[in-house]
Amino acid sequence: QVHLVQSGAEVKKPGASVKVSCKASGYIFTAYYLHWVRHVPGQGPEWMGWINPNGGDPNYAQKFKGRVTMTWDTAISTAYMELSNLKSDDSAVYYCARDGGAAPPNGDPPTENWFDPWGQGTLVTVSS
Amino acid sequence: DIVMTQSPDSLAVSLGERATINCESSQDLLYNSDNKNYLAWYQVKAGQPPRVLIYWASTRESGVPDRFSGSGSGTDFSLTISSLQAEDVAVYYCQQYYSTPFTFGQGTRLEIK
Repeated sequence: QVHLVQSGAEVKKPGASVKVSCKASGYIFTAYYLHWVRHVPGQGPEWMGWINPNGGDPNYAQKFKGRVTMTWDTAISTAYMELSNLKSDDSAVYYCARDGGAAPPNGDPPTENWFDPWGQGTLVTVSS
Repeated sequence: DIVMTQSPDSLAVSLGERATINCESSQDLLYNSDNKNYLAWYQVKAGQPPRVLIYWASTRESGVPDRFSGSGSGTDFSLTISSLQAEDVAVYYCQQYYSTPFTFGQGTRLEIK
């Protein structure tokens, strides 16, 4: 069974950075892209970017470029998302989510870019 | 960026009745080369992560009850629950994966009347 288990809640001050981890199990970690999505209750979720654990550069949403860094460690099947220069409106639940389909063997990005499953979420609160 | 707009924002339906949620995209989500609509629907219950219900606009995810169905093409899509059950109380979101940044609708809150 596929599971994504995230690190615990964080409280940060404005200007600080936060790093969230996402440990995958139940599937071959390098076979699927992994996404990061944040959700402020009452708003639509917001896609932050994806990684290809098999290699290559992450793809960040323009909104977060310069502030977000997505990395991974294939040896422990774990992905990380670090967001810097935090502001109060970065307070949200941050999720990792696996891509809906395995990455094609030719190296092209997958097209099944729905998100399934999701991690349990990590609440990040930014407050002075 | 593709803007996704859902309607209504909230909906109250009696148990056993039909519920329909609409989603409009600012750009065509039908990819001509494979004739697929790049749209998914999610259910979010309180305190839980989102759960995918539908992808390719009308393909039901494994394990999703068949009272959930998706329809539409191009820029206009719908999620229908044919006979509302108490456990369907949730917020529902559409999401386009036609192009990055992938974007979601603002959500529709579904309640029991």
